[in-house]
Amino acid sequence: GAGVSQSPRYKVTKRGQDVALRCDPISGHVSLYWYRQALGQGPEFLTYFNYEAQQDKSGLPNDRFSAERPEGSISTLTIQRTEQRDSAMYRCASSLARGGREAEAFFGQGTRLTVV
Amino acid sequence: QKEVEQDPGPLSVPEGAIVSLNCTYSNSAFQYFMWYRQYSRKGPELLMYTYSSGNKEDGRFTAQVDKSSKYISLFIRDSQPSDSATYLCAMRGYNFNKFYFGSGTKLNVKP
Repeated sequence: GAGVSQSPRYKVTKRGQDVALRCDPISGHVSLYWYRQALGQGPEFLTYFNYEAQQDKSGLPNDRFSAERPEGSISTLTIQRTEQRDSAMYRCASSLARGGREAEAFFGQGTRLTVV
Repeated sequence: QKEVEQDPGPLSVPEGAIVSLNCTYSNSAFQYFMWYRQYSRKGPELLMYTYSSGNKEDGRFTAQVDKSSKYISLFIRDSQPSDSATYLCAMRGYNFNKFYFGSGTKLNVKP
C-alpha cells in the first residue's frame, strides 16, 4: 500500500477483555515497530520485527502484551485482560532498513485504545 | 535521566521567523538522527534524517548534529502557519534498531 495502515482506528473495550491491533506495513519494508504514545509525549518503543523474527521486545510492559508477524508482513499486537492504564495511542512504523535508509521509519495513523 | 531530552514548548513565533528546535541526548552510540513533524491527531511524519555529524538541508529545513556535544537541531527558515505542529526528534544506534524519541516541541507560527 501507499503507507502504513493500522486498524481499527479507534477501539473501546471493557476492562478485562482482550484486544488485537493490526498493522499493515509499507510493501517491501522488512522492519516493523510497535510504539505507544501518550498524549503530549513522544512515542515509546514496544517491540521490533525484522521480517518475521521478533528481535526486540524489551519495551513490552508485561506479559499481557504480545506481538507477532508470522509471514513477515502484517503484524498483530495483542493485549490480554486489558486494564485502564493500557489506554493510549498505539502506533506502528515500518522501515526498508537497508541501502542507507535504515533511519527512515514511517508511521501509521495509529489505533486509539480506550479501556473502560 | 531520559535518553533524549526535548523542550516541550510551546514555542510561538510570527510568520517568517527562523525557528530553532533542539534535542540533547546521553547515549554516544546514537548514529542516526531524525526529525518528525506531527500534526494534531495525526501520526508522526518523517521530515529529515542525518547519519552521524554534520548538516543536512532540505528546502526551508536544516538539520544539524553535533555529536561532541550530544546536541541536535532543526532550523526552519521563513516559517509558515502550516508549520504549526509538534516536532519530535528521534535517534538510534548503528547496531540496534530501537528508535528513541524526545517528548516533542509544540510550535505555533502566528500569521
